[in-house]
Amino acid sequence: GAGVSQSPSNKVTEKGKDVELRCDPISGHTALYWYRQSLGQGLEFLIYFQGNSAPDKSGLPSDRFSAERTGGSVSTLTIQRTQQEDSAVYLCASSPRLEVRARGYTFGSGTRLTVV
Amino acid sequence: GQNIDQPTEMTATEGAIVQINCTYQTSGFNGLFWYQQHAGEAPTFLSYNVLDGLEEKGRFSSFLSRSKGYSYLLLKELQMKDSASYLCAVLDSNYQLIWGAGTKLIIKP
Repeated sequence: GAGVSQSPSNKVTEKGKDVELRCDPISGHTALYWYRQSLGQGLEFLIYFQGNSAPDKSGLPSDRFSAERTGGSVSTLTIQRTQQEDSAVYLCASSPRLEVRARGYTFGSGTRLTVV
Repeated sequence: GQNIDQPTEMTATEGAIVQINCTYQTSGFNGLFWYQQHAGEAPTFLSYNVLDGLEEKGRFSSFLSRSKGYSYLLLKELQMKDSASYLCAVLDSNYQLIWGAGTKLIIKP
């Protein structure tokens, strides 16, 4: 696609429920990142996928968080047993590895998650 | 550890010039980025520096000094639409972007 697509754009869920957030990166982009951004805060790194390499999961805040990337394209971030502190905007970004120097990442519009 | 510092908030007047500083300490260096983020929107790419010096792009310029671990973003002829957060990020040796917390720029008429 022309850009990074994320769905849903907004999600309200009850505490304790599981949620799935989806990211469709730009076609051909081998690198995909998930970030979390709380209101007025900077970007918090969650997980990074690069091609067929094992993902860098070092940013996941707890074992309730997991992510997968199928076929090197679409990625799903899953949060189990959601807590109120999980409320944030979840941003996905992708980049073509060789061009990341010149253009950085392209971000999706994010999913605003509210846990009530 | 890796660290990127930038001021939390700055205020400037429409039509004026403002300089937003960024200092960094990272594991390796493959370039420094500036992004703009309007409230409620995703960050968008502004500039990239990998060599020392000043890169000018219209009203925006970005400067880098690798020996000092320092960069700044210079915005000229400020417009109200420039009110946003400005994020500094460094590409480390693993080609991952390390992000600063962002500088919220408030433009007053």
